[in-house]
Amino acid sequence: AQSVTQLDSQVPVFEEAPVELRCNYSSSVSVYLFWYVQYPNQGLQLLLKYLSGSTLVKGINGFEAEFNKSQTSFHLRKPSVHISDTAEYFCAVSDVAVGDDKIIFGKGTRLHILP
Amino acid sequence: DGGITQSPKYLFRKEGQNVTLSCEQNLNHDAMYWYRQDPGQGLRLIYYSQIVNDFQKGDIAEGYSVSREKKESFPLTVTSAQKNPTAFYLCASSIPGGNNEQFFGPGTRLTVL
Repeated sequence: AQSVTQLDSQVPVFEEAPVELRCNYSSSVSVYLFWYVQYPNQGLQLLLKYLSGSTLVKGINGFEAEFNKSQTSFHLRKPSVHISDTAEYFCAVSDVAVGDDKIIFGKGTRLHILP
Repeated sequence: DGGITQSPKYLFRKEGQNVTLSCEQNLNHDAMYWYRQDPGQGLRLIYYSQIVNDFQKGDIAEGYSVSREKKESFPLTVTSAQKNPTAFYLCASSIPGGNNEQFFGPGTRLTVL
């Protein structure tokens, strides 16, 4: 069965500093990978997704993620964070197999931006 | 504008009462999903539907029921059998056979008193 592990439940970082949010997944098949962001009391918004091709994926708000198949990882990075990046971030995985549209979510990483 | 709407945003109910959460989408998506979110737990799948008049249980279906009579609508009923119903509920939709990306509504926060 698929699973997603977000290694840090909370990450504090100073404004304008770089940040990396870690995500590892377990799956024996080809996968799609996603990062979603959730601002307080709101739904989830897609940041970026890996479907195939280039392992470096760029998303909205200056975020990017790198797919590493050998390490089954999909870490999210931003070179310089802003106070508006304060949110919870979810990594998610889905099988490429036809007929299975479900997504498995990690437990989330709460990003705290310190002034 | 296309999107997913959930109503109401906040809902309060007394213990023992059934309550129905609304989810409507105008994205013309075939698949719809209900998730429950608790602090530190991530999103857990309650029910999903890939086509009208068909739905499947997710990981935590006990105490919940759904219907899918129209493509646009996927209401969730939280019954009195659900032992701990206070949570944030999220509805999502996707295009089956696509890349599995899901689009989310704004959520409903249910508090049972």
